[in-house]
Amino acid sequence: QKEVEQNSGPLSVPEGAIASLNCTYSDRGSQSFFWYRQYSGKSPELIMFIYSNGDKEDGRFTAQLNKASQYVSLLIRDSQPSDSATYLCAVKREGSYIPTFGRGTSLIVHP
Amino acid sequence: GAVVSQHPSRVICKSGTSVKIECRSLDFQATTMFWYRQFPKQSLMLMATSNEGSKATYEQGVEKDKFLINHASLTLSTLTVTSAHPEDSSFYICSAPGLSGANVLTFGAGSRLTVL
Repeated sequence: QKEVEQNSGPLSVPEGAIASLNCTYSDRGSQSFFWYRQYSGKSPELIMFIYSNGDKEDGRFTAQLNKASQYVSLLIRDSQPSDSATYLCAVKREGSYIPTFGRGTSLIVHP
Repeated sequence: GAVVSQHPSRVICKSGTSVKIECRSLDFQATTMFWYRQFPKQSLMLMATSNEGSKATYEQGVEKDKFLINHASLTLSTLTVTSAHPEDSSFYICSAPGLSGANVLTFGAGSRLTVL
């Protein structure tokens, strides 16, 4: 069974700190990895995707992938209260349209 | 960029009635669209894959006679929840592969269904 595991949280960090969100997956055939942000009552919006081992940076966000450990993470630097949301990790196999989503981690950034 | 429009955003209906949710790709053609359902504090669960011009593919455990999907054109897919019951109350979200390729999904805004 393909699974994507995330700690549901909430993860609470002070404004300006680094928030670290983690995700593990069970399907070794996974090739693409995504982080979505979902505000309460809204649909998910893509933050980043990563395909290769290592780090990928985009502004305040850094995605980290370790395929050997089946682990992907998202770092948010200089966290802002507006970053407070649920962060969904999603993975999928090459050639597939359909990702498998984790349950999401709730992040709270307090002033 | 790829935009997926979904309507209605909220709907409240009585038990036993049917509700239709529309999903449109505004600036691109989508031969395939996906319908997800999300219960509170749960993950997105894929319900079905909508295929233009052919029958939808339903995930295991999803009743195809209850959740009718029609994908009559390259820009429109509809989900009809028939004979809705309170347990069908959920957040329904459609998505489509975006312009950047098949790898990234673009989501509609979602439809909050409440069945009384």
